[in-house]
Amino acid sequence: EDQVTQSPEALRLQEGESSSLNCSYTVSGLRGLFWYRQDPGKGPEFLFTLYSAGEEKEKERLKATLTKKESFLHITAPKPEDSATYLCAAPRNTGKLIFGQGTTLQVKP
Amino acid sequence: DGGITQSPKYLFRKEGQNVTLSCEQNLNHDAMYWYRQDPGQGLRLIYYSQIVNDFQKGDIAEGYSVSREKKESFPLTVTSAQKNPTAFYLCASRLTGSLTEAFFGQGTRLTVV
Repeated sequence: EDQVTQSPEALRLQEGESSSLNCSYTVSGLRGLFWYRQDPGKGPEFLFTLYSAGEEKEKERLKATLTKKESFLHITAPKPEDSATYLCAAPRNTGKLIFGQGTTLQVKP
Repeated sequence: DGGITQSPKYLFRKEGQNVTLSCEQNLNHDAMYWYRQDPGQGLRLIYYSQIVNDFQKGDIAEGYSVSREKKESFPLTVTSAQKNPTAFYLCASRLTGSLTEAFFGQGTRLTVV
């Protein structure tokens, strides 16, 4: 069964304390992976698309990487405004878009 | 501006009532999706549609119904058969046939009173 699993469920960091979020998947024939940011009470906002293993994408303090089994979202020197829930999603060739359960990040000043 | 619009933002339903959530997009996207999000949880797929007049059940379709009569619109009806409908509902759309991201609306929060 196709599955996307994120860890940890919640992460608390001090401002400037770098860390990584994990997204592992058991999806046959993975065709890429998406990362989203979601603020409370709002719809998810697109961050990155990773197309194949070995690919990396960066945006400000965020860097996303992809291997054959998992993806990481690295957060370098985070700021309080980076606090949000981060979601990853895998598209299927059936048209389905499968999401993980998310990692809620809190960055304290 | 192109985008995806959900309405209403807040909706209250009495037990035993059906309610319909609206989702409209002007992005010319073929595929549209409905997700449910419960507190502290990820997105669970209710229904999706890749073309007009066709849709498929997702993982939690029981108690919900949809229609896709127009490319731009994908309304979701929460029926009285859905025993625990209180949740945050998100609609999304994307192009099919390529690896493109989905765009989301701002969500509808449904509460049973």
